Amino acid sequence: SQQGEEDPQALSIQEGENATMNCSYKTSINNLQWYRQNSGRGLVHLILIRSNEREKHSGRLRVTLDTSKKSSSLLITASRAADTASYFCATDPRGSTLGRLYFGRGTQLTVWP
Amino acid sequence: DGGITQSPKYLFRKEGQNVTLSCEQNLNHDAMYWYRQDPGQGLRLIYYSQIVNDFQKGDIAEGYSVSREKKESFPLTVTSAQKNPTAFYLCATRGRGNQPQHFGDGTRLSIL
Repeated sequence: SQQGEEDPQALSIQEGENATMNCSYKTSINNLQWYRQNSGRGLVHLILIRSNEREKHSGRLRVTLDTSKKSSSLLITASRAADTASYFCATDPRGSTLGRLYFGRGTQLTVWP
Repeated sequence: DGGITQSPKYLFRKEGQNVTLSCEQNLNHDAMYWYRQDPGQGLRLIYYSQIVNDFQKGDIAEGYSVSREKKESFPLTVTSAQKNPTAFYLCATRGRGNQPQHFGDGTRLSIL
């Protein structure tokens, strides 16, 4: 399978704590993307990290990529109740001309006030 | 996403009935996608189109059909051959190059 696999499936933390989600994949990639989905809504793109990048930041988000281990992590620092959502990683396979992404099953994050 | 409009938000299907889900975009993106989302299974690709008048089957195309007559529109028909259509359906677009996908707010389809 070319899709990513997130870990853990569910994560429950208190406000102010950091949340870390992991994604593993099996094929070579052009880039890996993280998305967020609030309940009953569409996905929203958070961050894209290219295969030649190792770390990327965006506000309270930090993404790392280890292509040798075929894994990525998403860190949300100082979490807030509003961060409660499902988070998905998506891989863009290297050499693909089809433009499709492969999504994992997601991590459900719950942040308690 | 303000650039992608999915309608209706909720849809009910009777046995033996075909229903069509609408997806319209004003982002001027060439590529459009339809996903099905079931609880605990993430997103599964139904069909995708990279250009007008062309589309490809995804991983779960059986029981579904699409058309791409205009760049802005990519409707999905759930046919009576789809025996388990109850799910959340998401439409997405993607610009050229290695760009992220943009999503609509989905249509929830249920069986009457």
